[in-house]
Amino acid sequence: NAGVTQTPKFRVLKTGQSMTLLCAQDMNHEYMYWYRQDPGMGLRLIHYSVGEGTTAKGEVPDGYNVSRLKKQNFLLGLESAAPSQTSVYFCASSLDRGRREAFFGQGTRLTVV
Amino acid sequence: GQSLEQPSEVTAVEGAIVQINCTYQTSGFYGLSWYQQHDGGAPTFLSYNALDGLEETGRFSSFLSRSDSYGYLLLQELQMKDSASYFCAVRDPRDDRGSTLGRLYFGRGTQLTVWP
Repeated sequence: NAGVTQTPKFRVLKTGQSMTLLCAQDMNHEYMYWYRQDPGMGLRLIHYSVGEGTTAKGEVPDGYNVSRLKKQNFLLGLESAAPSQTSVYFCASSLDRGRREAFFGQGTRLTVV
Repeated sequence: GQSLEQPSEVTAVEGAIVQINCTYQTSGFYGLSWYQQHDGGAPTFLSYNALDGLEETGRFSSFLSRSDSYGYLLLQELQMKDSASYFCAVRDPRDDRGSTLGRLYFGRGTQLTVWP
């Protein structure tokens, strides 16, 4: 019963460094999402994917890239980290857009100094 | 565009009833959901309304009025463990180009504090 797994759980980056956040789900879900959560801002959609090999922009995509080479994995990349990207990042998945429930990973707390 | 509005915080005492409202504006609509998030945790699904009316799940109920673009989450018999943030979320089946992609948007959340 792994569900949605995010790695790493914590990370500190220096400005300008790059990193990749990994999201893996074992529920054979088609839809996957990346959100960032900042105090008072709720969950803001960065990028999402409706299936293997597809990605699309959400509300706040600038500074991030994503890839969905395999159905179970959704990668979020930061090419040149900035302090404004300090946040908690959540990955989520759902079976398809008609399904009611999205399942979330436990989050990645990223600090950019 | 899309926006969801909900109160930033609500307080109540144990045993009371509290209602958290959500109004939404989206270019398309495919159902209203509610999620709960405890401090430091991941959001977890509570309820979903695709059609007008009330859905009940134990102590929690959710209501939707599509004509008013409005819904609410009703929590009864409040317990201390209900202290958390509650988010409404909508699925928008269309993007700005009109294609049928199902984005999931969240409101900013309502912090519920339950006092003994």
